[in-house]
Amino acid sequence: KNEVEQSPQNLTAQEGEFITINCSYSVGISALHWLQQHPGGGIVSLFMLSSGKKKHGRLIATINIQEKHSSLHITASHPRDSAVYICAVRSVAGSQGNLIFGKGTKLSVKP
Amino acid sequence: NAGVTQTPKFQVLKTGQSMTLQCAQDMNHNSMYWYRQDPGMGLRLIYYSASEGTTDKGEVPNGYNVSRLNKREFSLRLESAAPSQTSVYFCASSAGQGVEAFFGQGTRLTVV
Repeated sequence: KNEVEQSPQNLTAQEGEFITINCSYSVGISALHWLQQHPGGGIVSLFMLSSGKKKHGRLIATINIQEKHSSLHITASHPRDSAVYICAVRSVAGSQGNLIFGKGTKLSVKP
Repeated sequence: NAGVTQTPKFQVLKTGQSMTLQCAQDMNHNSMYWYRQDPGMGLRLIYYSASEGTTDKGEVPNGYNVSRLNKREFSLRLESAAPSQTSVYFCASSAGQGVEAFFGQGTRLTVV
C-alpha cells in the first residue's frame, strides 16, 4: 500500500467549477506539500503546511493531522489550472532527505 | 531569478553510454536532491545532499552516482546507462529540511 494516496487520479471539470483533490497518508509527518506540474513538465511548490489551512489566490489547502488527510481546493477553476497536482509528505521517521510523493491527480479544466 | 537550472532538457543515450546531468541553484540553499519520475509512480529520491560536501543515498540509488561540486551545483552521473533508467529526472533544492523545495524543469532521458 502506498504511504501517500491521492484521489481522484483524473479529474475533468468545467470552467468555473469548485474542485477538490484529496490526499491521505499513513505515516507520521512533519509537513505536507502540494505541488503543481504543468504539461511542460516543470514542478512548482504551491503550499507547505503542517496544520490548519492556507490560502493563496483561488487555491486553498487544508490538513487534518488527526485524520492524516489533506485537501487542495480550487475555486472558480480556469483552463490554466489544468495540470497534475502532487501531494508529498515529509515523514518524521524518514531519512533527512526524503519526501514521499503521491502519484498525482491530473486535472483538466474545460472552457 | 533562475532558481534551479537543469541541463540538458532532453537526452537520448544508447545502452552502456555514460552521461552527467547538471543541476545548479542560485538561492544559496544547503540541500539539493535528485528525483526520477516514472509513469504511474510518484517521484522517487535517487540521492540527496544535505549540505556541501555530503551526499546520501535515497530510495533508488543503484546505477547512479552524484557529486556536490560546491554549494550551487549537484550533478547526477549514469556510468553505464540501461533502458530501466529511461525516466524524467528532477533536481530540487531547499534551504533545509522541512521547508519549501524548488524544482528544476526536468530532464527527459531515453535509453535505447
